Amino acid sequence: GAVVSQHPSRVICKSGTSVKIECRSLDFQATTMFWYRQFPKQSLMLMATSNEGSKATYEQGVEKDKFLINHASLTLSTLTVTSAHPEDSSFYICSASGRLTTDTQYFGPGTRLTVL
Amino acid sequence: QKEVEQDPGPLSVPEGAIVSLNCTYSNSAFQYFMWYRQYSRKGPELLMYTYSSGNKEDGRFTAQVDKSSKYISLFIRDSQPSDSATYLCAMSASGTSYGKLTFGQGTILTVHP
Repeated sequence: GAVVSQHPSRVICKSGTSVKIECRSLDFQATTMFWYRQFPKQSLMLMATSNEGSKATYEQGVEKDKFLINHASLTLSTLTVTSAHPEDSSFYICSASGRLTTDTQYFGPGTRLTVL
Repeated sequence: QKEVEQDPGPLSVPEGAIVSLNCTYSNSAFQYFMWYRQYSRKGPELLMYTYSSGNKEDGRFTAQVDKSSKYISLFIRDSQPSDSATYLCAMSASGTSYGKLTFGQGTILTVHP
């Protein structure tokens, strides 16, 4: 149980385009979802926290107008990287937690974004 | 100073060895301590979860927390090549479901046959 999926697993795009990444909880209701970014050989850095039906809370230094987060349902959250640039290339990972996930976060498999 | 410090390694050991992974932290508010395993190009997988100080054992894995020293450890007994991965420590002050996790840098472990 407690499976989180992400789509796509890998995306390559041109500079200036927008990219949407989906995060789904497959077998539980995710009341809270988290978005992380991980650069090569570095740790996960929290970007934002979103609760279903509410606006996301962004970490200091993360541009909310560039990284749009929507958590419209208890099983789906999306991260849209707007006007992507090469420096946005990274591994984006979501995690989810819910009422029945015994006080822990379950992580998705990640999405590798490459901006040319 | 980073809130959580973890030796990035890399660490290379022979199969069957005991592996010790460690993290130190500076934020005394941390109460929840976790170890995650991350294979290349995959999301982290929760291995161990500990609240406050003490030891916790699960199979070949033992997690230790010493809050007085702000130091946590993960021991892997009888290490296997399949244990080769990056190990991340993570901590939270307010519970992991709803609270922010602060991760260490990760230690790259290779277990060779």
